[in-house]
Amino acid sequence: DGGITQSPKYLFRKEGQNVTLSCEQNLNHDAMYWYRQDPGQGLRLIYYSQIVNDFQKGDIAEGYSVSREKKESFPLTVTSAQKNPTAFYLCASSHRGGNTEAFFGQGTRLTVV
Amino acid sequence: SQQGEEDPQALSIQEGENATMNCSYKTSINNLQWYRQNSGRGLVHLILIRSNEREKHSGRLRVTLDTSKKSSSLLITASRAADTASYFCATDPNTQGGSEKLVFGKGTKLTVNP
Repeated sequence: DGGITQSPKYLFRKEGQNVTLSCEQNLNHDAMYWYRQDPGQGLRLIYYSQIVNDFQKGDIAEGYSVSREKKESFPLTVTSAQKNPTAFYLCASSHRGGNTEAFFGQGTRLTVV
Repeated sequence: SQQGEEDPQALSIQEGENATMNCSYKTSINNLQWYRQNSGRGLVHLILIRSNEREKHSGRLRVTLDTSKKSSSLLITASRAADTASYFCATDPNTQGGSEKLVFGKGTKLTVNP
């Protein structure tokens, strides 16, 4: 059953703590993306990767880090430098080359406690 | 920066009516896509229209694209309560070197009342 899986669904972070959000896909997609969504808002691009071992900053990369060691996996770390991390995080993947749809995971809701 | 801007921000209609949502964008594009998001869930792809296409249909969905006005519209005909969701347009900017990323607008929240 092909798809893209995010875990966990809910995550609580203490002040000053780093947390890592998981994103795994078995769709054989080269491109993967991380977006942040705040209540009532659209999606803002954090990081994206077109190929293994390469990634680019999106519009709001500060306070976040990623790695792309495997084609299937694109984990996002929310560091303590991110001052307002409470949000809904969405991972997506797609084929490269443009004119192709993106497939989204079900999201991770991160709350700072 | 957000490329697309949907209009209206919220839309409430009765079941059976048509719903029209608009999207404007700023730069030239390779394609424009529409996605749907149920509350608290991931996005689901609805339809993709390429920059050289003017209209596309998929079931009860009709999308138009006017590249001269940098705008697109999504029409949902004969709406159902199950169509209640947020709808987002996303553009694939046509940049030198090819960014190959999707840029989303803020969405239109559609409520279909039974």
